[in-house]
Parts: sequence; C-alpha cells; structure tokens
Amino acid sequence: GAGVSQSPRYKVAKRGQDVALRCDPISGHVSLFWYQQALGQGPEFLTYFQNEAQLDKSGLPSDRFFAERPEGSVSTLKIQRTQQEDSAVYLCASSLALERSSYEQYFGPGTRLTVT
Amino acid sequence: SQQGEEDPQALSIQEGENATMNCSYKTSINNLQWYRQNSGRGLVHLILIRSNEREKHSGRLRVTLDTSKKSSSLLITASRAADTASYFCATVGSSNTGKLIFGQGTTLQVKP
Repeated sequence: GAGVSQSPRYKVAKRGQDVALRCDPISGHVSLFWYQQALGQGPEFLTYFQNEAQLDKSGLPSDRFFAERPEGSVSTLKIQRTQQEDSAVYLCASSLALERSSYEQYFGPGTRLTVT
Repeated sequence: SQQGEEDPQALSIQEGENATMNCSYKTSINNLQWYRQNSGRGLVHLILIRSNEREKHSGRLRVTLDTSKKSSSLLITASRAADTASYFCATVGSSNTGKLIFGQGTTLQVKP
C-alpha cells in the first residue's frame, strides 16, 4: 500500500530554466491536487484533476505553470522560465471519491524547489 | 490566498498538558479538516468535521466547529513529544471542486 510519491524530492534550478515535477498518486484515486507551500505558510491550491480532466486551474500563478495528467494517474507539474519567487515546496495530494468535498486528501512528501 | 487565520501562530507546552489551536475562516463551507505536518514532510489528515456537526472526537483529538462564528478549534489532550509539528486547518467550500483552503498554521512544540 504505497502512498503518494513525488519526484524529485529536491530540485535546484537556475533562474530561467524549465522544471518538471512528478506525482504518483495512490492507485485508484480519481482526484489529484497540486499545492504550493511557501516557507512558513500554509499550502495554497494550484490545480485539480478528476481522472485526466483538469477541472480547476484557478490557482496557477501564471501561464508559466502547466500541469497534466494524460492517463488519469501520474501527473506532472511543469514550470517554465523559473523565477526566484517560484521557490517553494510543491505538494501533490490524491483523493478516492468522486464526491470530492467529503473526503480527506493524501499528501505526498513534496518537492522542494529552489531557484537561484 | 489563505482562507483565514490560525491562533496562536506558535505554542510551546510541557508533555502531558493540553494544546488548543483555533482557526477562523471567511466563506461558507462543506467541511473543515485538520492536518499535521512534521518538519520537511507532507501533510497527514487528522480529522474532518462537516458543516452540520458541532463537535467530533478521535482518540486524543477533539474538534469543535461554530459556523455562526466561522471558527473551529482543535484540542490535543495529554500531549506527547511526538505531537510536535505544525497543525493546519483547511476548509472545503460548498460549491467548489473539493480543493482545500488552508490557514497559516500553528507550530506546536511539546517539551519532554
């Protein structure tokens, strides 16, 4: 019974580089969420998938951020032309139920991105 | 943007004492959840309380919800050193996708 896994755990990027962060949700979980957590703050919602459909991307901070989940399981969060303000921990969470608002989310350990 | 505030921002107590954390939120909710985060790790779900519930218990945890005041509290009884972590409340709105809106968190230190 593996939990949510994320890779890499740590990523250092030079400003202007593109990065790709991977999330492997719990098998069978329909819902997948990405959050961004700045140091000392609570996580902030980025985007949500139900299976392969991206139903909410209202939290993505700019058009440099792009997420996909093409086969309804693994998801990738891509950040183009990284900026220093993108430095944060990126958390992925998955949830079992289609009736999303009733169920807890299971979080991965996060990817800590540092942009230098 | 963050949903609301948590109070206190930091709390330090002795092992065996009770710890109370408060959370306020701004919009109508479907449910409110509490999560724990140990340093450098992901979040772990602790307890969920629905908008039509007023109190819920799980082991040493007691959560209350006052929708008229848009506030919740988490009580940890008989604290242990292993309870040292950051605690976040998170709300799920009535008409959204199930995304969690988090507070800023309370950092709890339990001294042995």
